[in-house]
Amino acid sequence: GAVVSQHPSRVICKSGTSVKIECRSLDFQATTMFWYRQFPKKSLMLMATSNEGSKATYEQGVEKDKFLINHASLTLSTLTVTSAHPEDSSFYICSARDPASGSLGQFFGPGTRLTVL
Amino acid sequence: SQELEQSPQSLIVQEGKNLTINCTSSKTLYGLYWYKQKYGEGLIFLMMLQKGGEEKSHEKITAKLDEKKQQSSLHITASQPSHAGIYLCGADVNAGGTSYGKLTFGQGTILTVHP
Repeated sequence: GAVVSQHPSRVICKSGTSVKIECRSLDFQATTMFWYRQFPKKSLMLMATSNEGSKATYEQGVEKDKFLINHASLTLSTLTVTSAHPEDSSFYICSARDPASGSLGQFFGPGTRLTVL
Repeated sequence: SQELEQSPQSLIVQEGKNLTINCTSSKTLYGLYWYKQKYGEGLIFLMMLQKGGEEKSHEKITAKLDEKKQQSSLHITASQPSHAGIYLCGADVNAGGTSYGKLTFGQGTILTVHP
């Protein structure tokens, strides 16, 4: 199946700094990518839909100025956590849909663990 | 919005035992996905069900979607330590499976298999 990568796999930063997480579709083009957040022992919560060439669509309760999303190309979406605080520490996972794979064509990245000190 | 309830929240079994995880929705499920996740890792796709009454199997794992398309079950036969992990059900948020990957997830079931 198609491959989605994320970088970095884990990051530790100081409170107040900004962190950028990349999500790439390696062998297919994705006009739409999704960003999820997962707390320890909790399920995935959809944060936003990343649309290539246009603004991201955020879910209710997700601060768009806090979590900046840029989908500059058909293979790359970035999530920037601005002015990170300890409560932003979480596991962030992206997914992308490969249109060529039909209804099964949704692939998840390996995730990025963010720890804010 | 779609809300999914998974049960049980956690499960501890002895190797070789069978087990079932359930995923229930108050609304019709359009595209029901089952994933497995190791802690701190990404999601591994297991199976996807769309039609009422559909059943799919892969190795020792069988997933079913009921006729009303509001409940799905994941059954593991003769469990092994390698089956341990978090099992998540996810569903398309839009009717007809047109959300193209925008899923809502159940809270997950943590499975532990003792050798």
